[in-house]
Amino acid sequence: ETGVTQSPTHLIKTRGQQVTLRCSSQSGHNTVSWYQQALGQGPQFIFQYYREEENGRGNFPPRFSGLQFPNYSSELNVNALELDDSALYLCASSAGLAAYEQYFGPGTRLTVT
Amino acid sequence: SQQGEEDPQALSIQEGENATMNCSYKTSINNLQWYRQNSGRGLVHLILIRSNEREKHSGRLRVTLDTSKKSSSLLITASRAADTASYFCATGAAGNKLTFGGGTRVLVKP
Repeated sequence: ETGVTQSPTHLIKTRGQQVTLRCSSQSGHNTVSWYQQALGQGPQFIFQYYREEENGRGNFPPRFSGLQFPNYSSELNVNALELDDSALYLCASSAGLAAYEQYFGPGTRLTVT
Repeated sequence: SQQGEEDPQALSIQEGENATMNCSYKTSINNLQWYRQNSGRGLVHLILIRSNEREKHSGRLRVTLDTSKKSSSLLITASRAADTASYFCATGAAGNKLTFGGGTRVLVKP
């Protein structure tokens, strides 16, 4: 078990709604990355936060947004949910940008109906 | 889009046998990592190999990297039922953002 926690574990939302997912990073880690994993596929990079600033973004539309707080915990917000947003959302923390190993949380399973 | 492709997509072996899976990638990398995922949960880091390394061992795991062919392999020796999982390769670039392949689903039968 890593020290990364995510909430909630499961979530069901309706198309068009908004959702907020939360992640607490491992102690001492100042970098959080978010990934989306569709069923049967590998995770895809959404964005990364380093010391409360966005530090890179993958190929996701602006309705995917995030925040990182002074304690380095993070939120992922998705507006105007679409059916294709149904996926496992994973956050991972690391001890800085030069620390290649990432520690993943258990994920939040989002279902959009 | 995904950087790498794992091969095979699925693998079924008997306990005690070795499992080998391959990963190919497209662009230059700083490092390549292998992760394990059990039943759609979080990923667990297994091993990291840097671009200037050719082979690395960790317990029953052996990873090779051939940067000229842009490929890597993961060997699990003497497999156990607990090794049943999906295995992903991930390439790392600047700022430690990871690009994952599609994964190999391994089933180890007792």
